[in-house]
Amino acid sequence: DTEVTQTPKHLVMGMTNKKSLKCEQHMGHRAMYWYKQKAKKPPELMFVYSYEKLSINESVPSRFSPECPNSSLLNLHLHALQPEDSALYLCASSQGGPSSGNTIYFGEGSWLTVV
Amino acid sequence: AQSVTQLGSHVSVSEGALVLLRCNYSSSVPPYLFWYVQYPNQGLQLLLKYTTGATLVKGINGFEAEFKKSETSFHLTKPSAHMSDAAEYFCAVRTFFGNEKLTFGTGTRLTIIP
Repeated sequence: DTEVTQTPKHLVMGMTNKKSLKCEQHMGHRAMYWYKQKAKKPPELMFVYSYEKLSINESVPSRFSPECPNSSLLNLHLHALQPEDSALYLCASSQGGPSSGNTIYFGEGSWLTVV
Repeated sequence: AQSVTQLGSHVSVSEGALVLLRCNYSSSVPPYLFWYVQYPNQGLQLLLKYTTGATLVKGINGFEAEFKKSETSFHLTKPSAHMSDAAEYFCAVRTFFGNEKLTFGTGTRLTIIP
């Protein structure tokens, strides 16, 4: 069972809506991630937070806004999205920051449909 | 820079047959290598990983993989396929020097024939 919890599991939103995806982990991990996955494609990294600071932003459009309120929580705020943003959004976490041998644990994902 | 190549976007094997999913990596520094499985409509689950030490790595559900530096490969195998193994499999690489980015291959869809 995954210990990374994502809500909601499914979200349908209009292009003018503002919504948020939420992610929570209680494994004491200090790195958290957002990935985007389109159908039949591998996950693509969007953002990395390390020790609650944004450390990687993969040139993601500003209509996606991440937030890390504390070491256990990660949000992705969505505003003025386009239909092509419809995808599975995966949250993940790993122990520590720069030690890259650590396993990245993924949540079940949030299915986003933009209409 | 780092990259991963998975040969074969689709692999079909008969139930009870050997499963072999291929992964080759490119990295200028020692790599950390991972195999993840994704069942339909679910997130990614770690099957196994190689960091240092023994090059033959055993994972969950009877899978194993061998790190071969000379061949820059990390192929995934299972001696006997089960119907429940049908899923998408992703090979991934991270580099040693503090790079937090996990680079995925394009994935291999495994189909099990009854």
